[in-house]
Amino acid sequence: SAVISQKPSRDICQRGTSLTIQCQVDSQVTMMFWYRQQPGQSLTLIATANQGSEATYESGFVIDKFPISRPNLTFSTLTVSNMSPEDSSIYLCSAGTYQETQYFGPGTRLLVL
Amino acid sequence: GDSVTQMEGPVTLSEEAFLTINCTYTATGYPSLFWYVQYPGEGLQLLLKATKADDKGSNKGFEATYRKETTSFHLEKGSVQVSDSAVYFCALVGSARQLTFGSGTQLTVLP
Repeated sequence: SAVISQKPSRDICQRGTSLTIQCQVDSQVTMMFWYRQQPGQSLTLIATANQGSEATYESGFVIDKFPISRPNLTFSTLTVSNMSPEDSSIYLCSAGTYQETQYFGPGTRLLVL
Repeated sequence: GDSVTQMEGPVTLSEEAFLTINCTYTATGYPSLFWYVQYPGEGLQLLLKATKADDKGSNKGFEATYRKETTSFHLEKGSVQVSDSAVYFCALVGSARQLTFGSGTQLTVLP
C-alpha cells in the first residue's frame, strides 16, 4: 500500500485567487490522479498526473483552470485557478494504477467566498 | 460506458444490526471491484476489493462477493458498530481503465 499526504488540509479563499495543493506519496508509484468531490457527491476524476509530461484531463476539465505538475514519481501539485464559489469542494489525490488499487490522500477541503 | 449503481441512502441501523449495501455494475470485460469508505472529515480508505468472478473480499468484518452472473458486489456486515458510521462507495476499474464510483451510501449506526 501507499501512504499519501496532502497540503493544505483545508483552506478558505477569496474569489479570483488561486490555490496550489500538494500531494506526497511515501513510495514511487506509477500513476497519480486528482479527483474532485463536490458537497454530498461522489468523486469525479479531474486528471491523471503524468511524470515528466502534461497531465491527461477528463472531459469538462482544462489545463488553464486546473494546472497539474508531477516533477517526480512521488510528488504532484494541483492548482485551482481563478477560483469561484463553484470550486468549493474536496480535492483528493490518489496513487496506484488503473488495474490495481488506488490509495487516497486525506483530501483538501476548499471553500471559496 | 462503465457505471456503478448503489443503493440509495441514507441508511440508519441500530448497533449490532445486519448491514447490506447493494451495488450493481455495468462494464465490458472483467472489471476489478472495490468498496471504499469515507469517515467524516477524512479521505477515502480502501475497505476491500475483488478482481475476478466469485472472489470474496473481506476486511474489518465486512464482506463482498464478486457475482458476475448478477453483475453485483453487495457489501455486508453481520453486526455493525457505531464506529462504522461513514459513507461507503462502490467502485470499479473496467475497460475504460478508470476508477468509476457509485454515488455513495451514507450509513449511520445508532447506539
